[in-house]
Amino acid sequence: DARVTQTPRDKVTEMGQEVTMRCQPILGHNTVFWYRQTMMQGLELLAYFRNRAPLDDSGMPKDRFSAEMPDATLATLKIQPSEPRDSAVYFCASGTVLGETQYFGPGTRLLVL
Amino acid sequence: QQQVKQSPQSLIVQKGGISIINCAYENTAFDYFPWYQQFPGKGPALLIAIRPDVSEKKEGRFTISFNKSAKQFSLHIMDSQPGDSATYFCAASLYNTDKLIFGTGTRLQVFP
Repeated sequence: DARVTQTPRDKVTEMGQEVTMRCQPILGHNTVFWYRQTMMQGLELLAYFRNRAPLDDSGMPKDRFSAEMPDATLATLKIQPSEPRDSAVYFCASGTVLGETQYFGPGTRLLVL
Repeated sequence: QQQVKQSPQSLIVQKGGISIINCAYENTAFDYFPWYQQFPGKGPALLIAIRPDVSEKKEGRFTISFNKSAKQFSLHIMDSQPGDSATYFCAASLYNTDKLIFGTGTRLQVFP
């Protein structure tokens, strides 16, 4: 049963600390998406990759957020320094190029104190 | 123009009733309209999807109705069950892109 995995599932940190979230897309999928979900803003697309190349990161605050795909089996989202307003659930999703369906991971719940 | 507007924000339905969630869009270049279902503590999962060349698609108790001229589409859940209690997101994507534009979500509660 292929699925997207995300680590950690929960993260509590203090303001100013670095946070790294990891995602393992489904094997063979070549698009990866990072979303942030909050009650106020809903699901926001932060960044997306196709064949490991970043195609759109316009939804991401560039001064503190960065997203990378070091290889086809790992995507990372980093926040440095973290702020309380970054508290949210961060989802990774993967799919195939123009494949329509996005398969979401279980999310990382981040709380910044 | 890139937005997808979803209503209502929340919906309470009795078991056996019909749940209806509506979405509207402006960009006529959208050509794929999925609905995602999200249970608490889980990621969203594709429920059903439609393309603008058909006006309706049915899968079990779930039906999408699509009105191209009005630029609206809706999800109907027939014989709603407590297990359908979840948050539902409509979405849209542009031709030849991977990106989905999501609506703001509808929290559905089905009471026995």
